[in-house]
Amino acid sequence: GAGVSQSPRYKVAKRGQDVALRCDPISGHVSLFWYQQALGQGPEFLTYFQNEAQLDKSGLPSDRFFAERPEGSVSTLKIQRTQQEDSAVYLCASSLFAQTSWKGYTFGSGTRLTVV
Amino acid sequence: GENVEQHPSTLSVQEGDSAVIKCTYSDSASNYFPWYKQELGKRPQLIIDIRSNVGEKKDQRIAVTLNKTAKHFSLHITETQPEDSAVYFCAASIIQGAQKLVFGQGTRLTINP
Repeated sequence: GAGVSQSPRYKVAKRGQDVALRCDPISGHVSLFWYQQALGQGPEFLTYFQNEAQLDKSGLPSDRFFAERPEGSVSTLKIQRTQQEDSAVYLCASSLFAQTSWKGYTFGSGTRLTVV
Repeated sequence: GENVEQHPSTLSVQEGDSAVIKCTYSDSASNYFPWYKQELGKRPQLIIDIRSNVGEKKDQRIAVTLNKTAKHFSLHITETQPEDSAVYFCAASIIQGAQKLVFGQGTRLTINP
């Protein structure tokens, strides 16, 4: 597609519910990132995939957060037993990384998760 | 790890005046510094970036300067227009490896007509 697509656009979850957020990166983009953006804050790194390999998950806040990208394209961020502090916008970004021609990220529009 | 501080948190300028937003970073290995503009409810959009092998870069009304010795970089917007009103984020990254971006806290820029 022309851009990074995320769904759903909005999600309201009851505390304790599991949620799954989807990211469709730009076709052919090797790198995929998830960020969490709390209200009024800058995005914070969660995890990074190079193709299907999850190379960095140092930003995942707890073991309730899990991400996958099984075929190296679409990615899913899953949050189990959601809590109120999980309320945020979850941004996905992709990039076509090459040593000499990296152009930076393209972000999706995000999924706004509200836990009630 | 890397830490990025951004100032000011809010900035209000008259239309036509210039706006300057400043960021400092902690990791001397960082070599890529993008700036993103985010309008309410929208995705962050890259407006300009600079790599550590240059000190300044301009694109029409927008410029970024980098001082590697002092570990700070700044965004300059000249001849501001109402459509420049948004939240601006600076970030720092190391190009090699994971390309993880560390963002500043953001600056809400308001252009007053």
